[in-house]
Amino acid sequence: AQSVTQLGSHVSVSEGALVLLRCNYSSSVPPYLFWYVQYPNQGLQLLLKYTSAATLVKGINVFEAEFKKSETSFHLTKPSAHMSDAAEYFCALNTGTASKLTFGTGTRLQVTL
Amino acid sequence: DVKVTQSSRYLVKRTGEKVFLECVQDMDHENMFWYRQDPGLGLRLIYFSYDVKMKEKGDIPEGYSVSREKKERFSLILESASTNQTSMYLCASSLPSGGVPVFFGPGTRLTVL
Repeated sequence: AQSVTQLGSHVSVSEGALVLLRCNYSSSVPPYLFWYVQYPNQGLQLLLKYTSAATLVKGINVFEAEFKKSETSFHLTKPSAHMSDAAEYFCALNTGTASKLTFGTGTRLQVTL
Repeated sequence: DVKVTQSSRYLVKRTGEKVFLECVQDMDHENMFWYRQDPGLGLRLIYFSYDVKMKEKGDIPEGYSVSREKKERFSLILESASTNQTSMYLCASSLPSGGVPVFFGPGTRLTVL
């Protein structure tokens, strides 16, 4: 069975500070990994995805994530937080030929002045 | 612009009512999904359809059924709504392959009184 663990249900950073949202996965086969963002009262929007082409993946709004097989991690980072980054972030995976996603429980990012 | 639309953003129903949640996608995607989102639990897959009239149970199908008569439309049915089905429901669609983006609708917040 596959699973996704997001450490920290709430993360608070100051505007301009580094954003680090943690995601660890468990999968018996090579996974595809995704980060999605959900702004208040909206659906999920894809930030970036890892599909084995490159371990460092760049996404929208200067977010990036690095796939580390040895650590089974896919942490999301952004060098400098902006107030507009306040949202809930979900890490997800799927495997093989199926597009069904298994989600983590989400991390709510708060950005303070 | 790719689009997944859901028939209602907010819905209030009474216990025991039959409830229909409708979803339409305009991307000619084979795969469609219904997820349920609850605080602290992330998104959980209710049902999945990989073709017209084809369906597969997800992780939490109890109390739900689905219908897919046309490729672009996927309906979630609560046969007899209960208060524990109060939640946010998200519809999604994708191409039939692992590693592809899954596109989400804006969600329907259902309250069962």
